[in-house]
Amino acid sequence: AQTVTQSQPEMSVQEAETVTLSCTYDTSENNYYLFWYKQPPSRQMILVIRQEAYKQQNATENRFSVNFQKAAKSFSLKISDSQLGDTAMYFCASSLPAGGTSYGKLTFGQGTILTVHP
Amino acid sequence: DADVTQTPRNRITKTGKRIMLECSQTKGHDRMYWYRQDPGLGLRLIYYSFDVKDINKGEISDGYSVSRQAQAKFSLSLESAIPNQTALYFCATSDLDREGTDTQYFGPGTRLTVL
Repeated sequence: AQTVTQSQPEMSVQEAETVTLSCTYDTSENNYYLFWYKQPPSRQMILVIRQEAYKQQNATENRFSVNFQKAAKSFSLKISDSQLGDTAMYFCASSLPAGGTSYGKLTFGQGTILTVHP
Repeated sequence: DADVTQTPRNRITKTGKRIMLECSQTKGHDRMYWYRQDPGLGLRLIYYSFDVKDINKGEISDGYSVSRQAQAKFSLSLESAIPNQTALYFCATSDLDREGTDTQYFGPGTRLTVL
């Protein structure tokens, strides 16, 4: 079974600065996928970024990037040039690829509330 | 228009009532999911369906049932609602992309309150 842990219940950052959200996970599989989802006050779940475990290069999406440390089972999200619209709950999640009974099912962490201050 | 829609967006009901939450998608995905979100617990999987004839229980399926009426429609039912089913419910869809990655896309959620 997979588990995902987010140890920071709340974080805050000043507008235009950089913040890093932490996530650790546990799995016995060698191949898997990792995701960060954003949930703003509108409560919509929005995909921010994803990482395939077989890829060594860290994923980036504009101001969002990850630091994927496979051996340490760590998957942190870095938000650069923080904006007020980044204020949201952020969830780390993992899933397994096709071929297993857990295929396609997302396992979520508890979430981190990020507040961006002007 | 949104790719994944959920109805109703908000619902208040009483203990013992039967209630159905509906999900529709225009993404053409085969896979659909129902999750429940409680404060401090993240999202937990209730049921999932990989095609119209394939329905599977998730980690917290007790007290719930589902129906996959078509590729685009996946409904969640609470046969006899109880207060601890008060939560935010999400529908999601997914399919394999060209890289073989399965990424889930979520609906806007349904806030359910059971009194």
